[in-house]
Amino acid sequence: GAVVSQHPSWVICKSGTSVKIECRSLDFQATTMFWYRQFPKQSLMLMATSNEGSKATYEQGVEKDKFLINHASLTLSTLTVTSAHPEDSSFYICSASGPRDNQPQHFGDGTRLSIL
Amino acid sequence: EDQVTQSPEALRLQEGESSSLNCSYTVSGLRGLFWYRQDPGKGPEFLFTLYSAGEEKEKERLKATLTKKESFLHITAPKPEDSATYLCAVQGVGTNAGKSTFGDGTTLTVKP
Repeated sequence: GAVVSQHPSWVICKSGTSVKIECRSLDFQATTMFWYRQFPKQSLMLMATSNEGSKATYEQGVEKDKFLINHASLTLSTLTVTSAHPEDSSFYICSASGPRDNQPQHFGDGTRLSIL
Repeated sequence: EDQVTQSPEALRLQEGESSSLNCSYTVSGLRGLFWYRQDPGKGPEFLFTLYSAGEEKEKERLKATLTKKESFLHITAPKPEDSATYLCAVQGVGTNAGKSTFGDGTTLTVKP
């Protein structure tokens, strides 16, 4: 099946640090990538949708300047949490889908972000 | 707006005790309904895609079915390793390519 690699798996850093998370589709061209946030025992919360070569579309309530998304190629999207604070601590998951409209998303294994 | 409701929220079964998970949905034109499995601390793993009412898909002890209003994930003779959260998602005609609406999931626990 389709493989999406997310890196790093764990990040622990001090408040005020910026953190970059990478999401790569290893065996297919991901025209669309998604970034989710998930709190313990809760479902996925979509943060933004990114299409290769264009600006990301953010969901209501998600700060664009806090969560910077870049989708520079068909295999790589990055999420940068700028000036992270303890309330940004969470589990972040990316997913990717191909060019057709009715395809499933394929998820990375997530990044556990802890801000001290 | 597309909506997905999953029930029950949690399900505890004994090993070998078959059951079903429900996913009710409303969507203006279904492009696809997807089932995923999520283990703790991991991203969801894709299981099935269903496109039209009457369609069925099977994989090992899992069987997914679809009607015009709901989908069922049937688990036959489950084993402890089937314990996970199962997510249902729909993609409607009116949404951007690839974007899905997810349910809150059913957490399945299978006791040996």
